[in-house]
Amino acid sequence: NAGVTQTPKFQVLKTGQSMTLQCAQDMNHNSMYWYRQDPGMGLRLIYYSASEGTTDKGEVPNGYNVSRLNKREFSLRLESAAPSQTSVYFCASSFPTGSGEKLFFGSGTQLSVL
Amino acid sequence: AQRVTQPEKLLSVFKGAPVELKCNYSYSGSPELFWYVQYSRQRLQLLLRHISRESIKGFTADLNKGETSFHLKKPFAQEEDSAMYYCALYGFQKLVFGTGTRLLVSP
Repeated sequence: NAGVTQTPKFQVLKTGQSMTLQCAQDMNHNSMYWYRQDPGMGLRLIYYSASEGTTDKGEVPNGYNVSRLNKREFSLRLESAAPSQTSVYFCASSFPTGSGEKLFFGSGTQLSVL
Repeated sequence: AQRVTQPEKLLSVFKGAPVELKCNYSYSGSPELFWYVQYSRQRLQLLLRHISRESIKGFTADLNKGETSFHLKKPFAQEEDSAMYYCALYGFQKLVFGTGTRLLVSP
């Protein structure tokens, strides 16, 4: 039972390079999320997708794009990486339960932009 | 829009002391509130949900709608409780986190 899988785990980019972070979940969840985690800033929501075919901006969407390719996959793209995007990125998926929404997190991607 | 505030970046206590990690929120609807924990070099994991009114690892949290708070409490801290704790609010189809509080429990 893989849960939420993110790739890559580590990445170093030069300013201006582009890359896509991949995320897949095998739990048939409708909702998926991308967060970034920075010291002193906590987790900030970049984009989310409440269902297949829909995406919405979160708190810090600038400089990012997302694709909800199908129910399983939700990718995050940096078109032109900037040093300010150095962070740890987490993908998550969730489903509603009788006792509230339950979120599952991936193991994170540590991204450095030089 | 929803907002979660954790006023303390760091909380340092001795083993056996009581712990209270503060969380305040703003939300126009009926909130779903959570506490998540991240131990060193591990992924985030759910600690507890207000709807369940559960106690996990000795931690409890009560939703106070009048004070818009959801503080996390434990009567006797243990060294293994040292971690980052995040309060989160689910609303408008998304989960928003506070900035987190690092709890350090010293022997």
